[in-house]
Amino acid sequence: EVQLLESGGGLVQPGGSLRLSCAASGFTFSSYGIGWVRQAPGKGLEWVSTVSGSGGSTYYADSVKGRFTISRDNSKNTVYLQMNSLRAEDTAVYYCAKKARAAGNFDSWGQGTLVTVSS
Amino acid sequence: DIQLTQSPSFLSASVGDRVTITCRASQGISSYLAWYQQKPGKAPKLLIYAASTLQSGVPSRFSGSGSGTEFTLTISSLQPEDFATYYCQQLNSYPVTFGPGTKVDIK
Repeated sequence: EVQLLESGGGLVQPGGSLRLSCAASGFTFSSYGIGWVRQAPGKGLEWVSTVSGSGGSTYYADSVKGRFTISRDNSKNTVYLQMNSLRAEDTAVYYCAKKARAAGNFDSWGQGTLVTVSS
Repeated sequence: DIQLTQSPSFLSASVGDRVTITCRASQGISSYLAWYQQKPGKAPKLLIYAASTLQSGVPSRFSGSGSGTEFTLTISSLQPEDFATYYCQQLNSYPVTFGPGTKVDIK
C-alpha cells in the first residue's frame, strides 16, 4: 500500500524558513516523481513543485520560484521542500503526492501538513 | 501558462441525479487532464486520468470525456458520499494547473 507522510509544518514568522518532509513507502520510490500541492484556508488547490524520480529535474510554480527548493533522498525514501522567505500568502496545508509515470497526474496523496506564516 | 475554468462553480443536486461538470482549458492540452474529488479536511482523491480513464477502485458511476480544450466529468447517479468539491488538473505542460473547483452540495 502506498503511503505518504508529510511533516515539518508549523507556525513561522514572515521572512522565516521551514523545511517540509514527505516520507514514502509501499512503492519503488526512485522510479516516481513526487510533487507538492498546497491549499490555502477555504481556497482551491495550487501546485507548488515537482521533482523527478532521480532528482535531476525540478519544477516550480512562479509564486515560489527562487524561494522554495525541492529535493529528494532516495536512500531515505524522502522528499523535502525547503521554504525560505516565507510570506503570509504561503499559509496553507501542504500535500505531497506521488506522480503517475505515464499520465503525470497525482495518484496517491499524503494527509497534509499545515504551514502558518504569521507574526 | 494554461488556465482552467470550471462550470458550474457550485451545484445543488439530489441523490440519484445525473451530474455533469465542465472544465475548459485556455489552450489545447490533448488528453492530459485529471479529475479529483476532495471532501472537507481530507486530501484530494484521483478519480479520472488521461481525460477518460477511471482510476482503480473508483465507482463506475464516474466517467470523464473530452480532449483538446473541453472536458466533462459525469456522475451518472449521485450518491450521498459524492457530495464534495471536484477539481480538474492539466498535465500537458508546466506549470501544472488546477481548475478553481466545483462544489456539489445536497439539494
